[in-house]
Amino acid sequence: DIQMTQSPSTLAASVGDRVTISCRASQYSSSWVAWYQQKPGKAPTLLIYKASTLQSGVPSRFSGSGSGTEFSLTISSLQPEDFATYYCQQYNSYPWTFGQGTKVEIK
Amino acid sequence: QVQLQQRGAGLLKPSETLSLTCDVFGESFSAYYWSWFRQTPGKGLEWIGETDHRGTAKYSPSLKSRLTISVDPAKNQFSLKLTSVTAADTAVYYCARTTTLVAANFWGQGTLVTVSS
Repeated sequence: DIQMTQSPSTLAASVGDRVTISCRASQYSSSWVAWYQQKPGKAPTLLIYKASTLQSGVPSRFSGSGSGTEFSLTISSLQPEDFATYYCQQYNSYPWTFGQGTKVEIK
Repeated sequence: QVQLQQRGAGLLKPSETLSLTCDVFGESFSAYYWSWFRQTPGKGLEWIGETDHRGTAKYSPSLKSRLTISVDPAKNQFSLKLTSVTAADTAVYYCARTTTLVAANFWGQGTLVTVSS
């Protein structure tokens, strides 16, 4: 199985900050990485797929980059509704696997 | 707009069978894959398996011996059965629409399944 390792596990930031979350795959994953946002008690929602493609309806302040084994999610200017937990996921090979999550908290 | 509505029992005893169904509304069932995930505080998000509209399924190796994912295209629904559950199967279970291009872009509301004697 491909292991996805996210960093940091927790991130404290202020509204307006630029935030970057990293994700490292234990094996080559091409560009088949997605990023999700999850709020308490809710299902995850897709933000980015194929490493850098913005899902329809997602604000442009979210962006993704990377390929191979190194990936990142950036929020250019953090908004109040962005405080949540973020997950990366590889879908290059089965079984699909997720990172352990990054909780973005209010500083 | 596609909607996925989950239903099924939320409280089970050890050794029982977990059974969940996901009803799909507003979508052509044959055009996508249909998946199950689960989430626990300890293990995080976990992919369980997927099926296409013909019933061709892929399973997580760790669950394969206990798992069946089936589909009923006529009813626009797919189902999950996990046998011989233990406390380790306690989780929030999600159904989702998936593709090989975009991963999981529509999710059900989630069902908390608790396994306790």
